[in-house]
Amino acid sequence: GAVVSQHPSWVICKSGTSVKIECRSLDFQATTMFWYRQFPKQSLMLMATSNEGSKATYEQGVEKDKFLINHASLTLSTLTVTSAHPEDSSFYICSASGRNDSGRPPYNEQFFGPGTRLTVL
Amino acid sequence: ELKVEQNPLFLSMQEGKNYTIYCNYSTTSDRLYWYRQDPGKSLESLFVLLSNGAVKQEGRLMASLDTKARLSTLHITAAVHDLSATYFCAVDMPEISNFGNEKLTFGTGTRLTIIP
Repeated sequence: GAVVSQHPSWVICKSGTSVKIECRSLDFQATTMFWYRQFPKQSLMLMATSNEGSKATYEQGVEKDKFLINHASLTLSTLTVTSAHPEDSSFYICSASGRNDSGRPPYNEQFFGPGTRLTVL
Repeated sequence: ELKVEQNPLFLSMQEGKNYTIYCNYSTTSDRLYWYRQDPGKSLESLFVLLSNGAVKQEGRLMASLDTKARLSTLHITAAVHDLSATYFCAVDMPEISNFGNEKLTFGTGTRLTIIP
């Protein structure tokens, strides 16, 4: 259980184009999805948090107009990199967590997708 | 701002040896996660530590949490080549939200290389 998929797994695009990455929770309802970016040999940096049906919350320094996030259903979130540039080349990883009211305090583990490697030429 | 630091950043060790990776964090949190990442891959969950004094073991790996010291350790026993990977700890940042979901802050990572 708790499987998260991403599509595509890799993408190469020209500078100035837009790229959409999908994140799906396959066997649970994800009330919250998180988008991370990882540059080579670095750690994961949280970009934004999205709750189903509401606007995403972006971390400081992340341009919301450049990285458009949509979380229209409990199983799908999308990240669109608009007008991509070479400096946007990175490994993008999503994670999803579902509502879990068992235990004290509530504990909602994040399940990570396989990642999408974006290369902008 | 929550900061999470790992030590060491790089570790090269021989098969059969023991070693410990340390994870320090700067603010109160009672939930800590350990992940493994292979080159070009996403994260694999290893341990979830939910309370002070928690200890979990899986094979040659054992993780512990001391919330008072804001310290977690990942101990490797009798290392084998298959354990070569980058290991991350991550700490919850409890946020007030309608859904009760928390954000993770990741440590710097420890790149472990096991030499045959």
